[in-house]
Amino acid sequence: SQQGEEDPQALSIQEGENATMNCSYKTSINNLQWYRQNSGRGLVHLILIRSNEREKHSGRLRVTLDTSKKSSSLLITASRAADTASYFCATDETSGSRLTFGEGTQLTVNP
Amino acid sequence: DADVTQTPRNRITKTGKRIMLECSQTKGHDRMYWYRQDPGLGLRLIYYSFDVKDINKGEISDGYSVSRQAQAKFSLSLESAIPNQTALYFCATSDFKGASYNEQFFGPGTRLTVL
Repeated sequence: SQQGEEDPQALSIQEGENATMNCSYKTSINNLQWYRQNSGRGLVHLILIRSNEREKHSGRLRVTLDTSKKSSSLLITASRAADTASYFCATDETSGSRLTFGEGTQLTVNP
Repeated sequence: DADVTQTPRNRITKTGKRIMLECSQTKGHDRMYWYRQDPGLGLRLIYYSFDVKDINKGEISDGYSVSRQAQAKFSLSLESAIPNQTALYFCATSDFKGASYNEQFFGPGTRLTVL
């Protein structure tokens, strides 16, 4: 089964609103990463949060990590139409040797 | 110029044909990966390579093979393509430091259709 599972699968909001996406995972991790994918394009790294961090900010992005609940959230504030994309979480497991990607959240920001 | 390039960008082929997808990178990274993405799904790892002499199977390696010709080049082959290998294929690279993974850098993808 997928290590990282995003919720919701799809999210539609109006420009200016905040968008929150969640990721749950099953095993211990070294870090958790969020990626963005515009339709049919390659993934682009957004932010990395290490297992000993609880919150991290980058511009309009805010990521939280709760290792006790094995979950992470990505908040995009003041969303823009250009934020429309799929967002994936990826986990770097302590027992593994590579990243494992979830199935993604499709975000649509309506102008 | 893009740091990670893939060729071809699009390919239509027939069942049973041999296909090679190529990936080149100028980032100087040791680690390279091949993923496939199916509609509505996340990325699934096919093969990965930590250096020229180190090749590892991912979760869906059956029907695929790879070659790491140099640090900068990692190619994926489908020896005998079948329709369920129709997908979007991505190459990625990373620079491993210490005990945890840093970000991966992705190529633009190859859209493969097997008829």
